[in-house]
Amino acid sequence: NAGVTQTPKFQVLKTGQSMTLQCAQDMNHNSMYWYRQDPGMGLRLIYYSASEGTTDKGEVPNGYNVSRLNKREFSLRLESAAPSQTSVYFCASFRGTSSGNTIYFGEGSWLTVV
Amino acid sequence: AQKITQTQPGMFVQEKEAVTLDCTYDTSDQSYGLFWYKQPSSGEMIFLIYQGSYDEQNATEGRYSLNFQKARKSANLVISASQLGDSAMYFCAMREGFNTGGFKTIFGAGTRLFVKA
Repeated sequence: NAGVTQTPKFQVLKTGQSMTLQCAQDMNHNSMYWYRQDPGMGLRLIYYSASEGTTDKGEVPNGYNVSRLNKREFSLRLESAAPSQTSVYFCASFRGTSSGNTIYFGEGSWLTVV
Repeated sequence: AQKITQTQPGMFVQEKEAVTLDCTYDTSDQSYGLFWYKQPSSGEMIFLIYQGSYDEQNATEGRYSLNFQKARKSANLVISASQLGDSAMYFCAMREGFNTGGFKTIFGAGTRLFVKA
């Protein structure tokens, strides 16, 4: 099982450029998330999708857009990148069962905006 | 409003001793869940333990246990018999929104644990 797969792993952008981070999960989970982690800090929720066709803002949505293309895929778009968006981005998916919950993370995407 | 607080930026523990990492939370939901994750220097997020708000017993997973005190809104992680490999960043997280069909999950700022030989 691949789990949660993010691409690209590393990216350098110039200020003002746009890009899309891709995320896919093969675990048939309904809920998916995008987080950012700045150096030495915790994860902050950008957007989440409770199910296919729905998206909601998280703690820090400004400057980002998302698309839940289907149940597997949840992409994050930076329309006009800014140096403040330099961060590590994590995609995640949620599994909820009667025996407990687990959040599965991708390996992260390192984004630098110069 | 949903909020997670970890007040210990850094903690030191002697190898083989137990350590408690603090986490307090705030939510207006009756149904919610609490997680702990470990992030080693390599950067991946490793699931440690989960506690549901309706679970009456504290969750345990090997050397990890979650000390859940609902009235105090705390969900502390206890690591028994610390090992050098436990040195990492530890994050507490809370999931809410079950009744609305969503599972918004936010994380605390983290606690960096250093295990001394």
